[in-house]
Amino acid sequence: GAGVSQSPSNKVTEKGKDVELRCDPISGHTALYWYRQSLGQGLEFLIYFQGNSAPDKSGLPSDRFSAERTGGSVSTLTIQRTQQEDSAVYLCASSLSVFEQYFGPGTRLTVT
Amino acid sequence: AQKITQTQPGMFVQEKEAVTLDCTYDTSDPSYGLFWYKQPSSGEMIFLIYQGSYDQQNATEGRYSLNFQKARKSANLVISASQLGDSAMYFCAMRGSGYNKLIFGAGTRLAVHP
Repeated sequence: GAGVSQSPSNKVTEKGKDVELRCDPISGHTALYWYRQSLGQGLEFLIYFQGNSAPDKSGLPSDRFSAERTGGSVSTLTIQRTQQEDSAVYLCASSLSVFEQYFGPGTRLTVT
Repeated sequence: AQKITQTQPGMFVQEKEAVTLDCTYDTSDPSYGLFWYKQPSSGEMIFLIYQGSYDQQNATEGRYSLNFQKARKSANLVISASQLGDSAMYFCAMRGSGYNKLIFGAGTRLAVHP
């Protein structure tokens, strides 16, 4: 079956512009996660959605970052007024159980 | 606070040999899960193996096994019979009780030589 998909795969934007990153989780997966991976680093948790519960936003680095999940499926991560330090690979993952998370291919964001 | 430590930035192994990638963790949660992921140069994160804190036996998945030593808070990944395709970054991660986000270590880059 189809895995987690993300779009775009690459995004180059100018400093100060807003960007939207999209994640399509595996069908039927109730949990969805966003992580960020800076160059040569491990993954940093950003936000977590579980069903209809309020999202866990504890990892969002600033109020310029927000995310929503519509209809319990597709999620959009929005970064407003992008800064150069926002340059990273943004990874989305989904899961049905606590025993594993399936990751998408990521979106590489470059802020110039 | 939860923390994952991977002390080996890079490792080398000869093809067909076994290799151990180290991972130690810190948590006060009585219930937690430990994960290993592989990240090839293409960038995708590939789930390898999972160990629950209450599991009595070490997890195994094909050539991957997890050497879980609870008292020492270590969860080392053992790859047997290394293959050239095993060359990648390997990340250890932990999920604590009460939340599902993963806390990742900094990773170990494994190079398999022919």
